[in-house]
Amino acid sequence: KQEVTQIPAALSVPEGENLVLNCSFTDSAIYNLQWFRQDPGKGLTSLLLIQSSQREQTSGRLNASLDKSSGRSTLYIAASQPGDSATYLCAVSGAGSYQLTFGKGTKLSVIP
Amino acid sequence: GAVVSQHPSWVICKSGTSVKIECRSLDFQATTMFWYRQFPKQSLMLMATSNEGSKATYEQGVEKDKFLINHASLTLSTLTVTSAHPEDSSFYICSVWTGEGYTFGSGTRLTVV
Repeated sequence: KQEVTQIPAALSVPEGENLVLNCSFTDSAIYNLQWFRQDPGKGLTSLLLIQSSQREQTSGRLNASLDKSSGRSTLYIAASQPGDSATYLCAVSGAGSYQLTFGKGTKLSVIP
Repeated sequence: GAVVSQHPSWVICKSGTSVKIECRSLDFQATTMFWYRQFPKQSLMLMATSNEGSKATYEQGVEKDKFLINHASLTLSTLTVTSAHPEDSSFYICSVWTGEGYTFGSGTRLTVV
């Protein structure tokens, strides 16, 4: 059974700092990995999707990497802003399945 | 990208009553939709996979008679929580696989009193 772990559970940084969020998964036979952000009481906003054949994806200040063999992904946020404060979720789908397995998320607070 | 609309965004109901939650794919024909549940400070857990025109597939431990799923068209799936109890209070959210990624609805906060 796939398990997804996100470290740290919470992170507080001053505005402008670069930061890295970590995600690990136990079964490397994944179809893709996706990073989301969730604001309190809200739905999920997709940030980046990495196919299993890819190593990284970039969008603006965000860069996500994937090392499938070691079961790890990182989300790099450059020049953090208070508006980045949210919970960041990592999710993987298994090969041959569209079902997602989520981590518990990292709650990020960017202090002005 | 695809837009998924979920309604209502929040609902309070009395114990023993039923609540219906709608998930609409506004610009994408979805043969498959997914329903998740999220308890406070927990990760999202897949409840069931909704298949257009056929029966839903439920995850282990999810009561199919309690959580009724209907996927009558390519743009609408509904989740009905029957005979709701306080322990069913949770955040319910649907999603669609578009071929380019997963798009989620805005979620429904259910409180059973």
